[in-house]
Amino acid sequence: SQTIHQWPATLVQPVGSPLSLECTVEGTSNPNLYWYRQAAGRGLQLLFYSVGIGQISSEVPQNLSASRPQDRQFILSSKKLLLSDSGFYLCAWSGDRDQPQHFGDGTRLSIL
Amino acid sequence: KNEVEQSPQNLTAQEGEFITINCSYSVGISALHWLQQHPGGGIVSLFMLSSGKKKHGRLIATINIQEKHSSLHITASHPRDSAVYICAVPMDSNYQLIWGAGTKLIIKP
Repeated sequence: SQTIHQWPATLVQPVGSPLSLECTVEGTSNPNLYWYRQAAGRGLQLLFYSVGIGQISSEVPQNLSASRPQDRQFILSSKKLLLSDSGFYLCAWSGDRDQPQHFGDGTRLSIL
Repeated sequence: KNEVEQSPQNLTAQEGEFITINCSYSVGISALHWLQQHPGGGIVSLFMLSSGKKKHGRLIATINIQEKHSSLHITASHPRDSAVYICAVPMDSNYQLIWGAGTKLIIKP
């Protein structure tokens, strides 16, 4: 069966520090991968999606970047975090665009 | 106007009640997703449906493509059903899902 792992679960970082959140999927090949952010009390916002290794599409301009160095690995990064980067970050995968998305447990990021 | 609208925004009910959450959308879709977000933040995909009705345990999802409307029903509700329920539809042009604002459901024992 397929599983998705996302870590860390909680992260507290100072403003201006770098960020690296990792997401890995097991049990499937060539998944579509997604990074979402959810601000407090708000809905999900798609940040990036990837349909293959090295293929990254960004949905909103921002202080973050994403990379997919391996088929089942998706990394969310920032060189310098801003206060506005605080939120709940979720990684997800799907077999195809029209198939259900399966979510990781999320990372709660607090910027101080 | 939001392209995906959910109602109600908040719903509090007693254990055992029959629950209905509604989702209306204005875009043409290939499928509609229902998801559940637990208080801790984790999200679980409940259903993806493009027509008719799907049932999983005490959860039932229906969709009327002509009316652009879907409902999520919970029978014999239980406090563990307390969560935010979200519907989402895929955009035609890319991989983005258009998300409803969510319905916060609280089931009291």
